[in-house]
Amino acid sequence: TQLLEQSPQFLSIQEGENLTVYCNSSSVFSSLQWYRQEPGEGPVLLVTVVTGGEVKKLKRLTFQFGDARKDSSLHITAAQPGDTGLYLCAGDRSGANNLFFGTGTRLTVIP
Amino acid sequence: SQTIHQWPATLVQPVGSPLSLECTVEGTSNPNLYWYRQAAGRGLQLLFYSVGIGQISSEVPQNLSASRPQDRQFILSSKKLLLSDSGFYLCAWSLGASLRQYFGPGTRLTVL
Repeated sequence: TQLLEQSPQFLSIQEGENLTVYCNSSSVFSSLQWYRQEPGEGPVLLVTVVTGGEVKKLKRLTFQFGDARKDSSLHITAAQPGDTGLYLCAGDRSGANNLFFGTGTRLTVIP
Repeated sequence: SQTIHQWPATLVQPVGSPLSLECTVEGTSNPNLYWYRQAAGRGLQLLFYSVGIGQISSEVPQNLSASRPQDRQFILSSKKLLLSDSGFYLCAWSLGASLRQYFGPGTRLTVL
């Protein structure tokens, strides 16, 4: 069973549109991280959220951690072709030595 | 600065052959080390992690094994590959209590 479910699994949008990716779980996490992965490369960290209800902005990307620390969302405003990639959320459970990665969302932004 | 290396970058192996993938980290000491497998375009499946030399934790039963002979070296092995072992293998490191992962460039393994 997958601890973190992401939706949608695939997303194809036109340049300039807005989008939201969701990362949901029934478990509580100490913190949650978002990564972006380009084809043939390893994932790269975008942001870490640690407080319930926290909102972090990274240029056109807005990340939110749910109040109960069980879910998170990533909103992209005015998507650009450079945003294309696989977006992965990853949760840190208290006492664990490893992250739990989500199922991934493949985003394609069409010029 | 810290760097992480994986090799080979790509590998094509016949079913039943052995496997050895190597990962090394430079510029840090006593890192936590991880091996993941990724199916095409999907999330990461944690295979093994290590918090120190000779200390290996296995997350899923499989025909793979891992070893950490040196502080900054992590090796993924198999005695006999299966078709289902095909995938993109990623090594990663983190430091201390922080679980932020720094990933290597990956190895694309195709078992025929």
